[in-house]
Amino acid sequence: GAVVSQHPSRVICKSGTSVKIECRSLDFQATTMFWYRQFPKKSLMLMATSNEGSKATYEQGVEKDKFLINHASLTLSTLTVTSAHPEDSSFYICSAGDRPYPYEQYFGPGTRLTVT
Amino acid sequence: GQQLNQSPQSMFIQEGEDVSMNCTSSSIFNTWLWYKQDPGEGPVLLIALYKAGELTSNGRLTAQFGITRKDSFLNISASIPSDVGIYFCVMNYGGSQGNLIFGKGTKLSVKP
Repeated sequence: GAVVSQHPSRVICKSGTSVKIECRSLDFQATTMFWYRQFPKKSLMLMATSNEGSKATYEQGVEKDKFLINHASLTLSTLTVTSAHPEDSSFYICSAGDRPYPYEQYFGPGTRLTVT
Repeated sequence: GQQLNQSPQSMFIQEGEDVSMNCTSSSIFNTWLWYKQDPGEGPVLLIALYKAGELTSNGRLTAQFGITRKDSFLNISASIPSDVGIYFCVMNYGGSQGNLIFGKGTKLSVKP
């Protein structure tokens, strides 16, 4: 149980375009999902908390207009990188927990975004 | 802010050897999680620890939550090539799922 999927696994886009990444909880409902960003050889950094039916909560320094998050259902959250630039190239990973306690999070397989 | 110090940063070992890595925190926390990340993949939960002093095993992996609640270690016994990857210690410092802080990771390389 507690499987999280992401789509696409890899995406290449041109500078200035927008890219949408989907995160799905396959066998459980998640009122809260999380989006992380990981640079090469670095650890994961939390970008935002996605809340079903309400606005996402962004970490300090993360532009909410740049990284649009929508949590339309209990099994789907989307991250849209708007007007992408090469510096947005990164590995984006989502996670979710299948219960409020204990606080275990299950991560998706990640999405490699390359902006040319 | 909360900080996690994870060591060593990298390890190069021979297949069959035992491995030990640890994390220390500047603050007391409630939960320790150990994850493994393979290249190009998301982290996979290995072991979760919830009580000070707790010792938990998962196959060849053993982890303990320090008595002071400021540290944890992860041991891998009889390493095999598929143990290669990056191991992260992660702590939960708050009252919700999202309050996770990741260590910088320990990169493990196993020579057959």
